[in-house]
Amino acid sequence: AQSVSQHNHHVILSEAASLELGCNYSYGGTVNLFWYVQYPGQHLQLLLKYFSGDPLVKGIKGFEAEFIKSKFSFNLRKPSVQWSDTAEYFCAVNAKGNNRLAFGKGNQVVVIP
Amino acid sequence: NAGVTQTPKFQVLKTGQSMTLQCAQDMNHNSMYWYRQDPGMGLRLIYYSASEGTTDKGEVPNGYNVSRLNKREFSLRLESAAPSQTSVYFCASSENPSGIVWADEQFFGPGTRLTVL
Repeated sequence: AQSVSQHNHHVILSEAASLELGCNYSYGGTVNLFWYVQYPGQHLQLLLKYFSGDPLVKGIKGFEAEFIKSKFSFNLRKPSVQWSDTAEYFCAVNAKGNNRLAFGKGNQVVVIP
Repeated sequence: NAGVTQTPKFQVLKTGQSMTLQCAQDMNHNSMYWYRQDPGMGLRLIYYSASEGTTDKGEVPNGYNVSRLNKREFSLRLESAAPSQTSVYFCASSENPSGIVWADEQFFGPGTRLTVL
């Protein structure tokens, strides 16, 4: 079955620190990959997505993610976080041919001013 | 252009009561979805509708029914609510112009926070 793992569910860091959130999936075929963000009290919004092409994807608000096929990973990064990046971050994976988008359990990120 | 709207925003039910959660999108999207979000569980798919006139079960369909009323609207019904259905429910939609579900960004509504006592 298709599954998505996100590590370090709770992350606390100071402003200007770098952020990296891991995402690993279990499917070996072709995948579509997404990172969504949920700010406090708001609905999910797309940060970035990878379907094909350059494995380094740039999204909104200075976020980027790298698809490493050999490691089944799609890690999210931001070089310097701000207080406004406090949110929950979800990795999501669709394996082509599977009728679902599998979400990870999320990373709760708190940025201290 | 409101995107995806959901009603109600909050609801409290007693065990055994029924209710319908409403969802509408104004983006002319083909596909619509219902998820539930529980702490530490991420989002889990309840039902989806790949296109108008079709619905399919997701990961956790038990205790729920859905209706794709038209291209804009996709409702979720709880026939006999149980405490285990206490959750935040999100509706989403995606364009999927090629008809290939799951190949496109999903747009989410603001959610309905449901408590079943």
